[in-house]
Amino acid sequence: AQSVAQPEDQVKVAEGNPLTVKCTYSVSGNPYLFWYVQYPNRGLQFLLKYITGDNLVKGSYGFEAEFNKSQTSFHLKKPSALVSDSALYFCAVRVGGYNKLIFGAGTRLAVHP
Amino acid sequence: AAGVIQSPRHLIKEKRETATLKCYPIPRHDTVYWYQQGPGQDPQFLISFYEKMQSDKGSIPDRFSAQQFSDYHSELNMSSLELGDSALYFCASSFQTTGGSTDTQYFGPGTRLTVL
Repeated sequence: AQSVAQPEDQVKVAEGNPLTVKCTYSVSGNPYLFWYVQYPNRGLQFLLKYITGDNLVKGSYGFEAEFNKSQTSFHLKKPSALVSDSALYFCAVRVGGYNKLIFGAGTRLAVHP
Repeated sequence: AAGVIQSPRHLIKEKRETATLKCYPIPRHDTVYWYQQGPGQDPQFLISFYEKMQSDKGSIPDRFSAQQFSDYHSELNMSSLELGDSALYFCASSFQTTGGSTDTQYFGPGTRLTVL
């Protein structure tokens, strides 16, 4: 079965420090991977995706993600965290021919001043 | 830029009632997806439509049905509501490029359904 795992329920970092939110995947074939962010009582906002090409993908709001095929990982990173980055982050993988997304359980990022 | 529109944003129903959720995709997007997010859970895929035809089906109860209309908007109809149906229901849309399966799904703000 195709799946996504986010091993950390919560990540805490200090403002200005680098952050990493982890994601590993299990898929057959080439993975199409996505990161979304969800603020309280809001919808899911697209951050970035990996389809093919460079392993380092740059996205919105200064976020980037590194695709590692050997480790089946797609970790989300940002060099310098902001308090406003505090939110719920979901990793997702596209499955099937019509783009259905399978989400990880989500990681709550807390950036403190 | 135009986003996915969902209505209503909040809905309160009694058990055994029916509910209809509406989704208006981003203009020129031809594919609509419905997801259900329970409290503290990740979104779960329910159903999708491409060019007004059902394209995929997930863990959608038989009590629920959905369709996509000629103007590409979609409606999720929910009958015999149960307490466990209380959740945030998201609609997402994408443009299905030729051959193509790398399209990004853009999500609406969701409809919060509360069943009492």
